[in-house]
Amino acid sequence: QQQVKQSPQSLIVQKGGISIINCAYENTAFDYFPWYQQFPGKGPALLIAIRPDVSEKKEGRFTISFNKSAKQFSLHIMDSQPGDSATYFCAASRGSSGGSNYKLTFGKGTLLTVNP
Amino acid sequence: DSGVTQTPKHLITATGQRVTLRCSPRSGDLSVYWYQQSLDQGLQFLIQYYNGEERAKGNILERFSAQQFPDLHSELNLSSLELGDSALYFCASSVVASGPQHFGDGTRLSIL
Repeated sequence: QQQVKQSPQSLIVQKGGISIINCAYENTAFDYFPWYQQFPGKGPALLIAIRPDVSEKKEGRFTISFNKSAKQFSLHIMDSQPGDSATYFCAASRGSSGGSNYKLTFGKGTLLTVNP
Repeated sequence: DSGVTQTPKHLITATGQRVTLRCSPRSGDLSVYWYQQSLDQGLQFLIQYYNGEERAKGNILERFSAQQFPDLHSELNLSSLELGDSALYFCASSVVASGPQHFGDGTRLSIL
């Protein structure tokens, strides 16, 4: 059972364009939604995260949009740069709702290529 | 640099063998997580420790075990290795059990 579905699998964007990656989740107990960026040979690096009490969070060129009713969230990368070329993972966990299991459930990843 | 250190970076061994992967969390982080990354399964949670105690288990095989030591470093032990165990193994740490998780650069395990 894939609890977090991510799309598209791959994305090619021109420099300066907007990159959009979407995720949908099934478990309504999830309340913490981070995005990770992974370069080849490196571990996933935390990019930005959101909790469901807000519909949008922006950090620099990166924005998360969150739709609780649709159980969807997305990452927008504005003014995409060749250096943004990487694999992006969405994830979800029960970050603050109690219990002891804060494991991250990851999407399958999106390979982003930004052409110069 | 996330501050999470994993050793070794690469490990090549044969089927049936046993290996130990080591993780040093960021300074001050009490919680350690282990994940497996493979092409077909993606990133999968294996096990979590908090301040030396096991907190949660995911899809971890019985051949795999882990522990967190008093100095908070953690080790993942993989035994009776099979070809299908070839993967990247990541460790992540967080200050508290529910905090943001920061990943190391992983150990690439290749089973020949």
